[in-house]
Amino acid sequence: AQKITQTQPGMFVQEKEAVTLDCTYDTSDPSYGLFWYKQPSSGEMIFLIYQGSYDQQNATEGRYSLNFQKARKSANLVISASQLGDSAMYFCAMRGGGETSGSRLTFGEGTQLTVNP
Amino acid sequence: DTAVSQTPKYLVTQMGNDKSIKCEQNLGHDTMYWYKQDSKKFLKIMFSYNNKELIINETVPNRFSPKSPDKAHLNLHINSLELGDSAVYFCASSQEMLSPSFWSNEQFFGPGTRLTVL
Repeated sequence: AQKITQTQPGMFVQEKEAVTLDCTYDTSDPSYGLFWYKQPSSGEMIFLIYQGSYDQQNATEGRYSLNFQKARKSANLVISASQLGDSAMYFCAMRGGGETSGSRLTFGEGTQLTVNP
Repeated sequence: DTAVSQTPKYLVTQMGNDKSIKCEQNLGHDTMYWYKQDSKKFLKIMFSYNNKELIINETVPNRFSPKSPDKAHLNLHINSLELGDSAVYFCASSQEMLSPSFWSNEQFFGPGTRLTVL
């Protein structure tokens, strides 16, 4: 079974500072993908960044980067230069390769990020 | 151009009623999903269809019945609604088959349907 753990229910950061949102995962699949989604108060799910289990380099997308430590099974999201519009719920998710997992995404509990002016 | 659309956006109904939520994607994807987000914001897969064929069916009461008339549509019908069915239901789609980068296939989510059962 796959499991995603986000241990920070809430995080606060000052505008323009960097923040790290933690994500650890558990899977027996040798191949898997890790995703981060943002859910603002308006409710939609917005894809941010992806990291593959065989990727040698950490993924980056603009102000978002993923600190992937495979041996520790962690995939932390780093947001640089936080903006007020970054205030939202952030979800870490995984998809594995087992027959039972199929193409589903398994989500963590989410971290509510608040950016203070 | 809306990639994944859901109707209705809000649905308020009485216990015991039957209701449907419709989902359409114009991305040409071959796989569609239904996820449920509960009051604590936890998201969980309910169903997945690939080219109109059911491939994932989680432990969901059989009051919930998905229907895929074609690969661009995946509707969710719920019979005998209960208070515990109140949640936000998200439709999503992705391209799975014949994809060169299987693991990176992002799932595109619809705007969600907030269902309230009174």
